[in-house]
Amino acid sequence: SQTIHQWPATLVQPVGSPLSLECTVEGTSNPNLYWYRQAAGRGLQLLFYSVGIGQISSEVPQNLSASRPQDRQFILSSKKLLLSDSGFYLCAWSEDRVALHFGNGTRLTVT
Amino acid sequence: KQEVTQIPAALSVPEGENLVLNCSFTDSAIYNLQWFRQDPGKGLTSLLLIQSSQREQTSGRLNASLDKSSGRSTLYIAASQPGDSATYLCAVRPSGTASKLTFGTGTRLQVTL
Repeated sequence: SQTIHQWPATLVQPVGSPLSLECTVEGTSNPNLYWYRQAAGRGLQLLFYSVGIGQISSEVPQNLSASRPQDRQFILSSKKLLLSDSGFYLCAWSEDRVALHFGNGTRLTVT
Repeated sequence: KQEVTQIPAALSVPEGENLVLNCSFTDSAIYNLQWFRQDPGKGLTSLLLIQSSQREQTSGRLNASLDKSSGRSTLYIAASQPGDSATYLCAVRPSGTASKLTFGTGTRLQVTL
């Protein structure tokens, strides 16, 4: 069966520091991969999605970036965090256009 | 642009009651619709997926229906339990080659003893 791993679960970082969140999927090949952000009291915002290695689509202009160095690995990064980057970050995967499955999320607090 | 609305935003019901959560969308050109559950501080758990050609899907005490032409879906929860307390979100995937889902803002459900 397929599983998705996302880490860390919580992270507190100072403003201006770098960020790296990692997500891996097991038990499937060539999944579509997604990064979402959920701010307090707001809905899910799609940040990036990828349909294959090295193929990244950005949905929202911001100081975040994403990379897909391997088929089942998706990384969310920032060179310098802003206070507004605080939120709950969720990685998700799907096989083509079938059901979407989420990881457990990373709670990021930028201080 | 697809818009997904969930009403009510919050709902409190006593244990044992049957309840219906609503999801409406503005563009009927969808590929499928998915219902999720989110517990506080956790990720989203997929509950049911309905393809655009289907009318309903069932899993245990949950039943989701889809009326694509009217842009509506409902999630029916039978014999609610305190463990059903969570936020329920619906999401629609468009037809065509786009991979992006549009999410509703959710209904926060509390089932009381």
